[in-house]
Amino acid sequence: AQSVTQPDIHITVSEGASLELRCNYSYGATPYLFWYVQSPGQGLQLLLKYFSGDTLVQGIKGFEAEFKRSQSSFNLRKPSVHWSDAAEYFCAHVTSGTYKYIFGTGTRLKVLA
Amino acid sequence: DAGITQSPRHKVTETGTPVTLRCHQTENHRYMYWYRQDPGHGLRLIHYSYGVKDTDKGEVSDGYSVSRSKTEDFLLTLESATSSQTSVYFCAIRGGQGLNEQFFGPGTRLTVL
Repeated sequence: AQSVTQPDIHITVSEGASLELRCNYSYGATPYLFWYVQSPGQGLQLLLKYFSGDTLVQGIKGFEAEFKRSQSSFNLRKPSVHWSDAAEYFCAHVTSGTYKYIFGTGTRLKVLA
Repeated sequence: DAGITQSPRHKVTETGTPVTLRCHQTENHRYMYWYRQDPGHGLRLIHYSYGVKDTDKGEVSDGYSVSRSKTEDFLLTLESATSSQTSVYFCAIRGGQGLNEQFFGPGTRLTVL
């Protein structure tokens, strides 16, 4: 069965430090991959997406993610975290031609001043 | 902004009561989804729709029904609410690049006492 794993439930970083959130997916075909961010009490906002081509994709708010087929990973990174980045982050994928999006269980990011 | 609204935004109800949540979109999207979000589970698909009167079940559909009588509205009904249905409910549409992106509404927080 298709699945998305976010192994880190909580991550705490200091403001200005770099960030990497991990995401692994399980499916043989090339998936379409997404990262979403959710601030408290808000809906999900799309940060970035990977469909094909360049495996390093840029998103909003200074985030980037790298697709690594050999590792079935799509990790999210940011070189310098801001206090406003504190939120919950979800990785998701969908296989082309299907309707069902699979979401990870989320990683909650805390940023220390 | 995909023009998605949800109503009500908050609701408290009692066990055994029927409840209907509404999702409204203004951009004529064909695909619409209902998810529930619970701590530790990420987003789980309840039902989805691929056109007027065309709906199908997701992974957690028991106790829920949906209807879509016009393109812009997708209704989620809890036939007899239970405490296990206390959750945050999100509506989403499918659009964007290649119709492979999902955009989410602001959510409805439902509490069943």
